[in-house]
Amino acid sequence: DIQMTQSPSTLSASVGDRVTITCRASQSISSWLAWYQQKPGKAPKLLIYEASTLESGVPSRFSGSGSGTEFTLTISSLQPDDFATYYCQQYNSYLYTFGQGTKLEIK
Amino acid sequence: EVQLLESGGGLVQPGGSLRLSCAASGFTFSNDVMSWVRQGPGKGLEWVSQISGSGGSTYYADSVKGRFTISRDNSKNTLYLQMNSLRAEDTAVYYCAKVRNTEVSDYWGQGTLVTVSS
Repeated sequence: DIQMTQSPSTLSASVGDRVTITCRASQSISSWLAWYQQKPGKAPKLLIYEASTLESGVPSRFSGSGSGTEFTLTISSLQPDDFATYYCQQYNSYLYTFGQGTKLEIK
Repeated sequence: EVQLLESGGGLVQPGGSLRLSCAASGFTFSNDVMSWVRQGPGKGLEWVSQISGSGGSTYYADSVKGRFTISRDNSKNTLYLQMNSLRAEDTAVYYCAKVRNTEVSDYWGQGTLVTVSS
């Protein structure tokens, strides 16, 4: 099974900051990686797929990059609505594993 | 508008069974892969199972293989998860999700809580 490891587990930042979350795969997954945002008590929301393609309706301050085993999610200028938990997920091969999550907190 | 509505969650004793349902609307259900994802209390997301549009192909996480069965009734636009031999570690909110192009989950239900406890 492919293991996905996110870092950091928790990130404290302020409105307006630029933040980056990293996701590493235990083996190459090409660009078959998605990022999801989840707020407390809510279902996850798809942000980015194929490592760097922005889902329709997602603000352009979100961007993704990477291929192979290392990927990043960047938020260029944090907004109050962005404080949430972020998950990466590989869909290169079954099982479609998730990272453990990164909680983005207000500093 | 795509809507996914899970039901069937509740309290069950260890070793017991439960069947979850997910009623889908707003898209051509039989055309789309569907999946179940769960989230234990205070924990991250765990992919559980996935089924092809026809129901002919199914996939399971190792943690549930042999105990859970995913199925669908395309005439009723409904996805199911039959859960047997339940364990305390199966306690979670279970989400159904529509899968786009066998890849990413682009629509999610609101989730249904399963609690396994004596």
